[in-house]
Amino acid sequence: AQSVTQLGSHVSVSEGALVLLRCNYSSSVPPYLFWYVQYPNQGLQLLLKYTTGATLVKGINGFEAEFKKSETSFHLTKPSAHMSDAAEYFCAVSDPRSGGSNYKLTFGKGTLLTMNP
Amino acid sequence: DGGITQSPKYLFRKEGQNVTLSCEQNLNHDAMYWYRQDPGQGLRLIYYSQIVNDFQKGDIAEGYSVSREKKESFPLTVTSAQKNPTAFYLCASSMTADHSNQPQHFGDGTRLSIL
Repeated sequence: AQSVTQLGSHVSVSEGALVLLRCNYSSSVPPYLFWYVQYPNQGLQLLLKYTTGATLVKGINGFEAEFKKSETSFHLTKPSAHMSDAAEYFCAVSDPRSGGSNYKLTFGKGTLLTMNP
Repeated sequence: DGGITQSPKYLFRKEGQNVTLSCEQNLNHDAMYWYRQDPGQGLRLIYYSQIVNDFQKGDIAEGYSVSREKKESFPLTVTSAQKNPTAFYLCASSMTADHSNQPQHFGDGTRLSIL
């Protein structure tokens, strides 16, 4: 069974500072990995995904993430935070062996990013 | 623009009442999903459907029912058997459920509360 751990349910940064949101997974095989963002009272929007190929993935809004197999991690970063980045961020994984009736996306519990005034 | 429409945005349920949440997509996606979101809990899968007239239980299906009579529509009924229905419900779709590298696209959710 897969699981996702997002370290830190709440992260606060100042505008212009580095954003680092942590995601570690547990899986018997390297999974497919996704980061989603959720603004208040809205659905989730895909930021980026890793399936195969280059391990550094660039997404929307200046975010990027790096898949590190040895560390079972897929941390999300942004060099310079903007006020509009305040939202909740979810890491999710799926099993590349699954499909058909076995398809499942497993979500972490989320990290709320707030901006220091 | 293509997307997923959930309605209503807010819904109130009385004790012993069934309520139905609507989800419609015009993305021509085969697969659709229902999730429940509670504060600090992430998203939990209720039901999913890979194709019309077929659906499977997710992790927390008890007290819920679904139908998939049309490709575009995947309504969720919260029955009176669901004793703790207060939550934010999210509908999603993906091109197909056959390949787990497909991202899911989400609607804007329905917030259900108990009167």
